[in-house]
Amino acid sequence: DAMVIQNPRYQVTQFGKPVTLSCSQTLNHNVMYWYQQKSSQAPKLLFHYYDKDFNNEADTPDNFQSRRPNTSFCFLDIRSPGLGDAAMYLCATSRDSQRGITQYFGPGTRLTVL
Amino acid sequence: AQSVTQLGSHVSVSEGALVLLRCNYSSSVPPYLFWYVQYPNQGLQLLLKYTSAATLVKGINGFEAEFKKSETSFHLTKPSAHMSDAAEYFCAVSDQGAQKLVFGQGTRLTINP
Repeated sequence: DAMVIQNPRYQVTQFGKPVTLSCSQTLNHNVMYWYQQKSSQAPKLLFHYYDKDFNNEADTPDNFQSRRPNTSFCFLDIRSPGLGDAAMYLCATSRDSQRGITQYFGPGTRLTVL
Repeated sequence: AQSVTQLGSHVSVSEGALVLLRCNYSSSVPPYLFWYVQYPNQGLQLLLKYTSAATLVKGINGFEAEFKKSETSFHLTKPSAHMSDAAEYFCAVSDQGAQKLVFGQGTRLTINP
């Protein structure tokens, strides 16, 4: 089945130690998104790629970076994680030719910062 | 600017009872509207979406929602709750052609035996 895959599902890192989260998709969608979701809150969009074009949200901290080496993969890099960065990180994809663009979400990576 | 308001951060119903989760939106242009469900420690799964076709939209797991322009609402209903419906539900809005979703704050649905 076509899907959005996130690895790892659970990630533990130390305060200030860089961490990379991975997302891959078999849907061949041209748009990929990264969201941060803290407990009992709605997902918050960090950035998205429209094809190779990177679109950063205005309030996304510089500590968060992203790479999209090809259509299928997208990475979220947190350069110096702080305790406040502990959250669920969700990857999503969409195809811009759809009417009523639907985003398809991966299972998420839960990040713990010690 | 678009926005979504979900009335009630927590809704509790008995198994077999009607489920009603409320969502009101604000949009200056005809919107696309979505309901997503999130089970614990999982991603979001699309329940249904409104894309300016039929105003009554049927989704998965027996859920449906009705778009009411006059009330700027898109409430989610299910006639008979099941224990497996316990989850967090998010309403979201986007402009036609927009790449981004605006989410409501979510409603946690609890089902009582």
